Amino acid sequence: NAGVMQNPRHLVRRRGQEARLRCSPMKGHSHVYWYRQLPEEGLKFMVYLQKENIIDESGMPKERFSAEFPKEGPSILRIQQVVRGDSAAYFCASSPPMRLLQETQYFGPGTRLLVL
Amino acid sequence: AQSVTQLGSHVSVSEGALVLLRCNYSSSVPPYLFWYVQYPNQGLQLLLKYTSAATLVKGINGFEAEFKKSETSFHLTKPSAHMSDAAEYFCAVSDRDDKIIFGKGTRLHILP
Repeated sequence: NAGVMQNPRHLVRRRGQEARLRCSPMKGHSHVYWYRQLPEEGLKFMVYLQKENIIDESGMPKERFSAEFPKEGPSILRIQQVVRGDSAAYFCASSPPMRLLQETQYFGPGTRLLVL
Repeated sequence: AQSVTQLGSHVSVSEGALVLLRCNYSSSVPPYLFWYVQYPNQGLQLLLKYTSAATLVKGINGFEAEFKKSETSFHLTKPSAHMSDAAEYFCAVSDRDDKIIFGKGTRLHILP
């Protein structure tokens, strides 16, 4: 059973370009979470999605950032007009659909974004 | 609002010595608590979690943590450190809204 997959693992962008980060959840998981880890910081929650729905985006910056989780295909975190401050590691996590208890979130290896 | 404080951004222990990583939390409701480990350039791996069952939680790789409500603590311990334990450790808290709040992490160094 493959784990959470993220690609690319490393992404370099120049200021003003767009960054697209992809996350394929574990098989059978329908909940996806995105977190951002700045240097020397812990992970900070950005957004929680289920298939075709954004459940909680309270951690998303109000501008330039968007996320989707379509019916088919991976979840996408899109950052438009990147700036140097967007340089970070972006982690995706997934969990199964049944939420009887706090289900474990399984993390992907992350995408390390560097903005030049 | 929930929060997590990890005391010590870096901890060094000798191989074979006790590992103690400290975590205090703040939560207005009974929390779920987690410890994750992150090896260099990798994602997070769950070590253990507390979900209001037994207060002493055993995890993988010989780690365990004890939930102490009176102290609002969830410290991580391992009796005997191994070189392979060198990594960054994150304590985290969640209530029931699916959002995990992470501490800033403690980097564990193992001295030979």
